[in-house]
Amino acid sequence: DAGVIQSPRHEVTEMGQEVTLRCKPISGHNSLFWYRQTMMRGLELLIYFNNNVPIDDSGMPEDRFSAKMPNASFSTLKIQPSEPRDSAVYFCASSFQLAGTDTQYFGPGTRLTVL
Amino acid sequence: TQLLEQSPQFLSIQEGENLTVYCNSSSVFSSLQWYRQEPGEGPVLLVTVVTGGEVKKLKRLTFQFGDARKDSSLHITAAQPGDTGLYLCAGRLSGGSYIPTFGRGTSLIVHP
Repeated sequence: DAGVIQSPRHEVTEMGQEVTLRCKPISGHNSLFWYRQTMMRGLELLIYFNNNVPIDDSGMPEDRFSAKMPNASFSTLKIQPSEPRDSAVYFCASSFQLAGTDTQYFGPGTRLTVL
Repeated sequence: TQLLEQSPQFLSIQEGENLTVYCNSSSVFSSLQWYRQEPGEGPVLLVTVVTGGEVKKLKRLTFQFGDARKDSSLHITAAQPGDTGLYLCAGRLSGGSYIPTFGRGTSLIVHP
């Protein structure tokens, strides 16, 4: 398996622009997570999907952030409009939720820079 | 305030040295995981511990879950440059959400 695939790997944009990050989870996994990682705050969970349904979006910073999972093999995280404080590495992770100890498999991340 | 406090934040050592990093909380966890993240990559799971007092070994790495399931440690024997990375602990609260909470990590550099 190719693992979790994220695109783009790097994104540089200007403040106010729309940014869309993409994720393809591992085939057969039923849970998908979006995280944001910064030096100041570490790894923060933004949103969690189970069977394509958003279960917990309490970590989404504000209305500028939205996430969708139209099917089991694709998810997007959109920021509109983007701001410099959104600069971070965004990770997508997937897992097969069976019990409370299942493994999350992370993608390589998208490094976002908002100028 | 972080639910999981990791210490030290940074560690720079020479090849061959031993080290221990810690993951502490005042909360009880049903399970705790350790991940390693290399520069430019996502975290990769090293181990999961679920029983208080449990000890797991992975080659030169020894993981321990505290008796009260509130803390954990990772000990590396004879560190090698390949051990360089960010070590993250992640815990699932006992009786709580399925979603794990991550600590901020310990950044380890092992010099040849």
